[in-house]
Amino acid sequence: AQKVTQAQTEISVVEKEDVTLDCVYETRDTTYYLFWYKQPPSGELVFLIRRNSFDEQNEISGRYSWNFQKSTSSFNFTITASQVVDSAVYFCALSELPNSGGSNYKLTFGKGTLLTVNP
Amino acid sequence: ETGVTQSPTHLIKTRGQQVTLRCSSQSGHNTVSWYQQALGQGPQFIFQYYREEENGRGNFPPRFSGLQFPNYSSELNVNALELDDSALYLCASSQTGLGFGYTFGSGTRLTVV
Repeated sequence: AQKVTQAQTEISVVEKEDVTLDCVYETRDTTYYLFWYKQPPSGELVFLIRRNSFDEQNEISGRYSWNFQKSTSSFNFTITASQVVDSAVYFCALSELPNSGGSNYKLTFGKGTLLTVNP
Repeated sequence: ETGVTQSPTHLIKTRGQQVTLRCSSQSGHNTVSWYQQALGQGPQFIFQYYREEENGRGNFPPRFSGLQFPNYSSELNVNALELDDSALYLCASSQTGLGFGYTFGSGTRLTVV
C-alpha cells in the first residue's frame, strides 16, 4: 500500500527565515506522481507542484523550491525568505496508477505540516 | 473559468440522520473525486466518479455513496451518520488524461452531534 509520511507536525519560524518541509513516500509503482498542496484556513487545497517519478530535476518557483530524491524516496519542499502569508498546512501527496479505462489517479496524502510564520 | 464549488459550507446533523453534499466541478472537467479530512489529518480518498459511474473507492463503508450527473456535478450521500463522520469533505475535479490537474473546492464542514 502507498504511504506518505510528513514527520514534522508543526513548524514555527520567524519571517524571512528559510524553512524545509519533509516528505517521505512509499510505493511499489515504478510510475507515480508526487504533489504538494497548501491548505489555508479557508480549507481549499491549493496546488503547488506536481512531479513525475522519472523527473528528478529540482524545481524552483519564486521563493519555493522542491528537492526530489528517488534514492531516498523523498520530496522535500523549501520556502526561502518565508512570509506571514505562507502560514498554512502543507500536504505532500502521492498518486496511484489509474484503473483501466483511463480515469484519473487518486491521491494518498500525508498528515500535513502546519507552518506558522511569525512577524 | 469557474472553480469547484461545494454546498453547503457548513452542516450540523444528528447521529443516525442522512446527509447530501453537493459539488459543481470546474468547467471542462469530467471526473469528480471526494475526500474526507478529519481534524488534524490529511484528506482520505472516498471515491471517484467518471462518466456517471463510480470508478475507484477508498476504504469507506457502503453507507457512503455518490452520484455524478451529466453536467459532471456530483453528490456525496452519507446514511446513518456516526460521530466519526464529522469532518471536512472535499470535492476535487479533473479532466481525464491531462495528468492529475486536480482542482479542489473549499469543502463542506460536517458536524455530527
